[in-house]
Amino acid sequence: DTAVSQTPKYLVTQMGNDKSIKCEQNLGHDTMYWYKQDSKKFLKIMFSYNNKELIINETVPNRFSPKSPDKAHLNLHINSLELGDSAVYFCASSQGFLSPGGEYFGPGTRLTVT
Amino acid sequence: GQQLNQSPQSMFIQEGEDVSMNCTSSSIFNTWLWYKQDPGEGPVLLIALYKAGELTSNGRLTAQFGITRKDSFLNISASIPSDVGIYFCAGSAGNTGKLIFGQGTTLQVKP
Repeated sequence: DTAVSQTPKYLVTQMGNDKSIKCEQNLGHDTMYWYKQDSKKFLKIMFSYNNKELIINETVPNRFSPKSPDKAHLNLHINSLELGDSAVYFCASSQGFLSPGGEYFGPGTRLTVT
Repeated sequence: GQQLNQSPQSMFIQEGEDVSMNCTSSSIFNTWLWYKQDPGEGPVLLIALYKAGELTSNGRLTAQFGITRKDSFLNISASIPSDVGIYFCAGSAGNTGKLIFGQGTTLQVKP
């Protein structure tokens, strides 16, 4: 009964490759997010989608492209991976766009770029 | 941009001790939240605060929304080994729908 699931859990790849991380939530939430957690554990929002529409797009390189095929899914595609992209990426969802405190986080995807 | 300063960065305490950590912001927040992250997992919400001066408890945890709206603290009483993890404060201001996270406090509890 996982609320927010992500695949894969671990991703090891070489510089220059393109990779995708998938996220699904079964909570019926309208809003989904991608966060990046760096090696110092600092969590920063990257993107937010509300009802499949992009509403938050932080200063993220355009090599990162989120896609929301429906309300329950938010995938993250990364082109031309760089060493600095190594981090843990968390997907999260909340009932609505302005419901802080209602975010449910997935287990994370640890991306290692070599 | 908005920043949160969370302290202390880490704590190593004996089981049974009380713990206190806090967050301060350079600007006003409308919502303060406290999360816990276990190793290999995503953050889990512990306490949400929505009103200046609000004091809320969740079991052994107590958190307060500072009266200036620029700070919050979290207390854990009678710590136990499973309290180990990273605690994050987070704040939200206005209608951005965006959460700003503190740097985290790593808590270790010695049995």
